[in-house]
Amino acid sequence: QVQLVESGGGVVQPGESLRLSCAASGFNFHSYAMHWVRQAPGKGLEWVACIRYDGNNIYYEDSVKGRFTISRDNSKNTLFLQMNSLRTEDTGVYYCARESARYYYFDYWGQGALVTVSS
Amino acid sequence: SYVLTQPPAVSVAPGQTASISCGGNNIGSKSVHWYQQRPGQAPVLVVYDDSDRPSGIPERFSGSNSGNTAILTIAGVEAGDEADYYCQVWGSNSDHYVFGTGTKVTVI
Repeated sequence: QVQLVESGGGVVQPGESLRLSCAASGFNFHSYAMHWVRQAPGKGLEWVACIRYDGNNIYYEDSVKGRFTISRDNSKNTLFLQMNSLRTEDTGVYYCARESARYYYFDYWGQGALVTVSS
Repeated sequence: SYVLTQPPAVSVAPGQTASISCGGNNIGSKSVHWYQQRPGQAPVLVVYDDSDRPSGIPERFSGSNSGNTAILTIAGVEAGDEADYYCQVWGSNSDHYVFGTGTKVTVI
């Protein structure tokens, strides 16, 4: 069965960096686009970034562009999110999500990793 | 950027029908997807491509989309349907993915 397991969350101060990982299993990882979606405490879902199956096309939400970098290692079935220059408003749960083969929606989600940015 | 507007809350009695709207400019020209998020859990896809259901999702969940409004309908609401619901589309002009503001469904 499809499994997505995030790791790497934690507490950091503003301006610091953090790297999230998402270990995928149960499907052909190299064939699917993958995403990061976040949720601030008590707030709604916010799409963060997307990387297509081969890593050649990458897209970011405007507020993270230039600070976050999405990447993938298809040989290790792992998705990454490198987060630099973190701000307090980046606090939240970060979900790894698989984009359906039919495109443009998310058919499987991980359980999330909590990132807290606080001084 | 494209904006999707949902009512903050909907209340419904058990066994009744809940309708959750998702408003967006000419949303009828886009494919709309819906997610259920129970407290403390990850989102789950309940409707995709306006009205299709993933395997394992009860027939009680249905969707429609026309004009400027998409609707998720939950028939015969059960206590377990109490959750937050989000609509989502792909912003084709920007290669961005957009979520609605979310609706909290309360079973009273």
